[in-house]
Formats: sequence, structure tokens, C-alpha cells
Amino acid sequence: DVKVTQSSRYLVKRTGEKVFLECVQDMDHENMFWYRQDPGLGLRLIYFSYDVKMKEKGDIPEGYSVSREKKERFSLILESASTNQTSMYLCASSSLTSGRDGTGELFFGEGSRLTVL
Amino acid sequence: LAKTTQPISMDSYEGQEVNITCSHNNIATNDYITWYQQFPSQGPRFIIQGYKTKVTNEVASLFIPADRKSSTLSLPRVSLSDTAVYYCLVGGTLSSYKLIFGSGTRLLVRP
Repeated sequence: DVKVTQSSRYLVKRTGEKVFLECVQDMDHENMFWYRQDPGLGLRLIYFSYDVKMKEKGDIPEGYSVSREKKERFSLILESASTNQTSMYLCASSSLTSGRDGTGELFFGEGSRLTVL
Repeated sequence: LAKTTQPISMDSYEGQEVNITCSHNNIATNDYITWYQQFPSQGPRFIIQGYKTKVTNEVASLFIPADRKSSTLSLPRVSLSDTAVYYCLVGGTLSSYKLIFGSGTRLLVRP
């Protein structure tokens, strides 16, 4: 069964702390994504990566960075957490042929709920 | 990248057919249309994908008119467990990797 695992379901951090959110997928997918989800705003794309060491900005990259040193792992980094980064963070992976019938289906992790005090 | 517009919310009753329409006026030639479902405290999961005309699977049908500027997700005979947020996405597969979710449609199914 396909699996995307996010390291922490719940985190509480203080303003100014450096925060690492880890995501691992076991499907050998080329593409990995980080989204954040806030009430009323749906999912917003922060960064995505289409290969090891490659990354591209999404719609809201400010205040975030990412790292993809290995194909299966995609990390989201908050260099200096702020209260407006309190959110649910969702990691996803895909390939051009992932999913049924090669639709490029996105597979999501269960999410990491971050609270910044 | 094509932006999508969906109704914010919809209400239905058990056993009814529900149709959720998504507008995507700027869809590109290579873009596919994909719908996802999300339950509270879970990540979204894939429902259906299409390029044109009609696609049907065991869960839903997707209707896409010839101009592809909109699409309609059809859920036959909904049950309480279909209460969720439904997202329409345009892109992916043969085009951009950058997949954008809109705000989604919150479907409430009542007994």
C-alpha cells in the first residue's frame, strides 16, 4: 500500500524557533509537494520538488525553505517560526504515472498541525 | 496556470445525486481535470480525473463539455459519509507539476 509519512502529527513551537517538518514516501515518486491548509483558504502550495535537489516555489514560499537530498524525503523548514505560520501542513507525492490508470494522482500524508506561540 | 472556481458549499440529503461544478476558463490544451475529496484531519484523496467528455468510475462521474472551460463532478446517491470538501484541480500529468488547489466545495449530506 502506498504511503506518505509525515514525521509529526502535532507540534508546538515558539516564535523564532527553527522548525523542521519531514516527509517520506515509499513509492519512488519523482514529485513531492508541501501545502499548508487554513480554514476558508483551502490548500496553498508552498514548494514542490520534481527531482532530488530540485525545488520550485509555489504560491506562498515566503518564510519557508525546503530540502530534497534523497528521492524519498522532502523537508520543509521554517527558519524562524512566526505565529502566522500556525497551520496544518500537508505533504504529497506523485509521479507522471502514479495512481490508477497513470493519472498522476497525488498521495497525501496525514498532515502536521503546527502551532507557533 | 488555470485557476478554478467552485461553490463554497452545498447541501444535500442522503440518496440524492449531487453535482458540483468547477469553472476553469483558462485551461490549457494539455491540462487534465482532477477532483479530490478531503475529510477532516486527513489529506485529500483522489476521486476521478478526465480530459474531455465523460469519465466514470466506481465512486463518481466527471462531465466535461467540449470547450473544457468547466467540469461537473457527479456523486450518485450520496450518503452521510460523503460529507467532505471537494477540490477541483487543473493541470498535472502532461503539463505543469505545479498543482493548485482552490478553496474547494464543502458538501454537507443530511439524513
